[in-house]
Amino acid sequence: GQQVQQSPASLVLQEGENAELQCNFSTSLNSMQWFYQRPGGSLVSLFYNPSGTKQSGRLTSTTVIKERRSSLHISSSQTTDSGTYLCAMESDSNYQLIWGSGTKLIIKP
Amino acid sequence: AQTIHQWPVAEIKAVGSPLSLGCTIKGKSSPNLYWYWQATGGTLQQLFYSITVGQVESVVQLNLSASRPKDDQFILSTEKLLLSHSGFYLCAWSGTGPYEQYFGPGTRLTVL
Repeated sequence: GQQVQQSPASLVLQEGENAELQCNFSTSLNSMQWFYQRPGGSLVSLFYNPSGTKQSGRLTSTTVIKERRSSLHISSSQTTDSGTYLCAMESDSNYQLIWGSGTKLIIKP
Repeated sequence: AQTIHQWPVAEIKAVGSPLSLGCTIKGKSSPNLYWYWQATGGTLQQLFYSITVGQVESVVQLNLSASRPKDDQFILSTEKLLLSHSGFYLCAWSGTGPYEQYFGPGTRLTVL
């Protein structure tokens, strides 16, 4: 079936370092959506990226269809970036998202 | 601007009791609506989606049902709760293309 493999499962960095999170998908992709999950559980949409590169401040999302991967890059990390990042793949059905298992990011001061 | 509201914020319920969770979207006409569930420490799982009033499609049922009585309202319910229903329930909406989803604040359910 359709799958999304998210890596790494956890990542510990010092403040100021860059973070690279990755999702690999097994089948055709309509779009990849990236979320930040707050400690209380609510989700913040970071990017909706069907292909190419999108940037918002220190965050950059790149989706490469041919290589079946999407990445989230956080530059100059800050302690407030700590939390769980999720990717979700919109595939053949526009109405279903297939979720990665998440990356827990810890930024140390 | 669109806003999405979920109620209640949290519930503690007994096994076997009924449940009704709600979601309302304001500022968006005819949205697509979605219900998700996340067990503590688990992966998000889509439960239902609806593209129009009165029509709901099941993705994973988990002994739950959903209804869309109004254009801006989505209800998740069951007549008998199980321990396995505990977790975090999220409602989301999207437009009709692109299908970027926006999430509500969620409801935390504890079944004892």
